[in-house]
Amino acid sequence: DAGVIQSPRHEVTEMGQEVTLRCKPISGHNSLFWYRQTMMRGLELLIYFNNNVPIDDSGMPEDRFSAKMPNASFSTLKIQPSEPRDSAVYFCASSLDGNQPQHFGDGTRLSIL
Amino acid sequence: QKEVEQNSGPLSVPEGAIASLNCTYSDRGSQSFFWYRQYSGKSPELIMFIYSNGDKEDGRFTAQLNKASQYVSLLIRDSQPSDSATYLCAVGRGNKLTFGTGTQLKVEL
Repeated sequence: DAGVIQSPRHEVTEMGQEVTLRCKPISGHNSLFWYRQTMMRGLELLIYFNNNVPIDDSGMPEDRFSAKMPNASFSTLKIQPSEPRDSAVYFCASSLDGNQPQHFGDGTRLSIL
Repeated sequence: QKEVEQNSGPLSVPEGAIASLNCTYSDRGSQSFFWYRQYSGKSPELIMFIYSNGDKEDGRFTAQLNKASQYVSLLIRDSQPSDSATYLCAVGRGNKLTFGTGTQLKVEL
């Protein structure tokens, strides 16, 4: 079975550019999560969706970050404009629902120069 | 006080020994508890999950939960060098998980 699929795996771009990260959850999973991982702060939840609806975006650092889930099989996380402090590994995860275990994609390693 | 606390380690154990990883949490309303293993440069991989007080065993892994003490642990029996990784404790309330910063485990030959 295919797991959570993220693209791109690596992204290097210059400060001020728009960055779009993509995620395809596991088929049949109703909940999708975006996380950011850094050495300093560990793994932080940015936003999560349930049945394609954003439920909690309190972890989104600022207005430069936005996320969408137009259908059950696709989500994007966008940063515009990007800044060097956004450099991190961004993970997408999905779960069946509720308290069910979350399964992670391979992540996108983002470097903003 | 952090919501989920783990000793960062490294925790070093000899091959074949039992590794004991511990985690405490602050939210008494927490409902679900997970252990993830993360190798360097890789994504977190689910190892165990537990919802009720007591022990849950799966192969060489045992998760232990004590809600009264707000404490969850992971035991790894017969530790192997391939178990060397960072272990993340995650505590859930509804859909939302809060992760600890992880404990680095080193299994030495």
